[in-house]
Amino acid sequence: AQSVTQPDIHITVSEGASLELRCNYSYGATPYLFWYVQSPGQGLQLLLKYFSGDTLVQGIKGFEAEFKRSQSSFNLRKPSVHWSDAAEYFCAVGSTGTASKLTFGTGTRLQVTL
Amino acid sequence: DGGITQSPKYLFRKEGQNVTLSCEQNLNHDAMYWYRQDPGQGLRLIYYSQIVNDFQKGDIAEGYSVSREKKESFPLTVTSAQKNPTAFYLCASSIDLSAGTLTGTTEAFFGQGTRLTVV
Repeated sequence: AQSVTQPDIHITVSEGASLELRCNYSYGATPYLFWYVQSPGQGLQLLLKYFSGDTLVQGIKGFEAEFKRSQSSFNLRKPSVHWSDAAEYFCAVGSTGTASKLTFGTGTRLQVTL
Repeated sequence: DGGITQSPKYLFRKEGQNVTLSCEQNLNHDAMYWYRQDPGQGLRLIYYSQIVNDFQKGDIAEGYSVSREKKESFPLTVTSAQKNPTAFYLCASSIDLSAGTLTGTTEAFFGQGTRLTVV
């Protein structure tokens, strides 16, 4: 069965500092990987996705993520965090085939200090 | 504008009552999903559907039921059998993931959620 682990429940960074949010997945084939962001009381917005090709993918709002097959990881990064990036971030893995579905991690809450 | 609409945004239910959450999409997506979100537990899959008149149980289907009579609609009923229904419910849709591999457009689009509270 597919699964996603986000080991960091809560992270605090200073505005302007770099950010890395960790994501590890378990899936038997080539995964389809996503990062979403959620503001309080809202739905989820897609930041970026990976299906194949270049293992470094660029997303919206200055985010990027790198797929590392050997480590089963898909970590999200941003060189310089803005106060408006404070939110909850979810990593997800998508399966294909007759039972395709999305499985999410438990999320990482990002706090940004000024 | 294309998107997913969930209604209502807030819903209150008395214990022992069934309640239905609405989810409508005009994105022409085949697949639709219902997730439940609780603090510290991320999004847990309740039910999903890849095609009209067909749906599968997710990880926490007990106490819930769904229907998929139309491509655009995937309502979720929270029954009285669900012992702890207070939560934030999110509906999503996507191109069927297996078909979407051709175009690379398999991301899910989410509604704004319904917060259900049992009173």
